[in-house]
Amino acid sequence: GAGVSQSPSNKVTEKGKDVELRCDPISGHTALYWYRQSLGQGLEFLIYFQGNSAPDKSGLPSDRFSAERTGGSVSTLTIQRTQQEDSAVYLCASSLLRSDNEQFFGPGTRLTVL
Amino acid sequence: AQKITQTQPGMFVQEKEAVTLDCTYDTSDPSYGLFWYKQPSSGEMIFLIYQGSYDQQNATEGRYSLNFQKARKSANLVISASQLGDSAMYFCAMSSISGSARQLTFGSGTQLTVLP
Repeated sequence: GAGVSQSPSNKVTEKGKDVELRCDPISGHTALYWYRQSLGQGLEFLIYFQGNSAPDKSGLPSDRFSAERTGGSVSTLTIQRTQQEDSAVYLCASSLLRSDNEQFFGPGTRLTVL
Repeated sequence: AQKITQTQPGMFVQEKEAVTLDCTYDTSDPSYGLFWYKQPSSGEMIFLIYQGSYDQQNATEGRYSLNFQKARKSANLVISASQLGDSAMYFCAMSSISGSARQLTFGSGTQLTVLP
């Protein structure tokens, strides 16, 4: 079946512009996660959606970052007034909510802020 | 808070030999899961193996096994019979099972190079 998809695969923007990154999770997965991977670094948690519950936003680095998940499926991560330090690969993952919690990752969006 | 430590930034192994990638963790959660992911140069994150904190036996998946030592808080990945295609970045990660926070906390990774 189809895996997690993300768009765009690459995004180049100018400092100060807003960007939107999209994630389509695996059908039927109730949990959706956003992570950020800076060059040569591990993954940093950003935000987590679970069903209709309020999202866990504890990983968002600033109020310039926001995300929504419409209809329990597609999610959009928005970064306002982008800064150069926002340059990274943004990875989305989805999972069923069970104890082994295997998360399936999308291919990521590489964001470059000039 | 959870923390994952991978102390080996880079490792080399000869093809067909076994290699162990180290991972130690810290958590206050009574129930948790430990994961290993592989990230080749293409960038995709590939799930390898999972170990639950209450699992009595060490997890195995083909050539991958997880050496889980709960008292030492370690969850080392063992890859047997290394292949050239195993060259990649390997991440250890954990998540809470008992709590509502199911996000993964990742270590900094180990870059494995398999030599022909």
